[in-house]
Amino acid sequence: DAGITQSPRYKITETGRQVTLMCHQTWSHSYMFWYRQDLGHGLRLIYYSAAADITDKGEVPDGYVVSRSKTENFPLTLESATRSQTSVYFCASSALAGGTDTQYFGPGTRLTVL
Amino acid sequence: AQSVTQPDIHITVSEGASLELRCNYSYGATPYLFWYVQSPGQGLQLLLKYFSGDTLVQGIKGFEAEFKRSQSSFNLRKPSVHWSDAAEYFCAVGPTAAGNKLTFGGGTRVLVKP
Repeated sequence: DAGITQSPRYKITETGRQVTLMCHQTWSHSYMFWYRQDLGHGLRLIYYSAAADITDKGEVPDGYVVSRSKTENFPLTLESATRSQTSVYFCASSALAGGTDTQYFGPGTRLTVL
Repeated sequence: AQSVTQPDIHITVSEGASLELRCNYSYGATPYLFWYVQSPGQGLQLLLKYFSGDTLVQGIKGFEAEFKRSQSSFNLRKPSVHWSDAAEYFCAVGPTAAGNKLTFGGGTRVLVKP
């Protein structure tokens, strides 16, 4: 199916475990983004990527790692999950530069860290 | 650094009534402005965007927004609300000075009374 997908949709893990959230888009968009959404904070950018093998930090990158070996995939890894990383995570993509073009969002992954 | 303020955290409106959501931004140049909607349990979807030209922008689902440079505002309006408009609405501005990213407001949750 065309579009942007995220997996898993729901994840429960324990403190200290490594967790990887997957994001896949079928449009061959150059730009991809990871956001977290928390009550009272709106959407905050974690990392973004302008192309394969090019990534950069966003507003709240600590505790997260990203990679982008292929244009269509942009996984987000929590190396050692903490309770403060309990959140809803959204992946997005855009064809052109992220601040000037429409971003298309995935359905989100709800992560709970116990 | 740029910022986006959505002064109203919650708004309750009766079905059939008009709706206006406020968005104020701080930006050093001509901004790219966006309104996104998030229905419960879903990702964000673009409603409309403004880059240049006519300051009254039409979007999907009967929404419109007006860019007012003198007031640094980009308010979203709908003449007659439907129950399906119950959602959270986010205003965003780009690009950021630090790169090709968006800055999101905190969101306004809209409740629709029958």
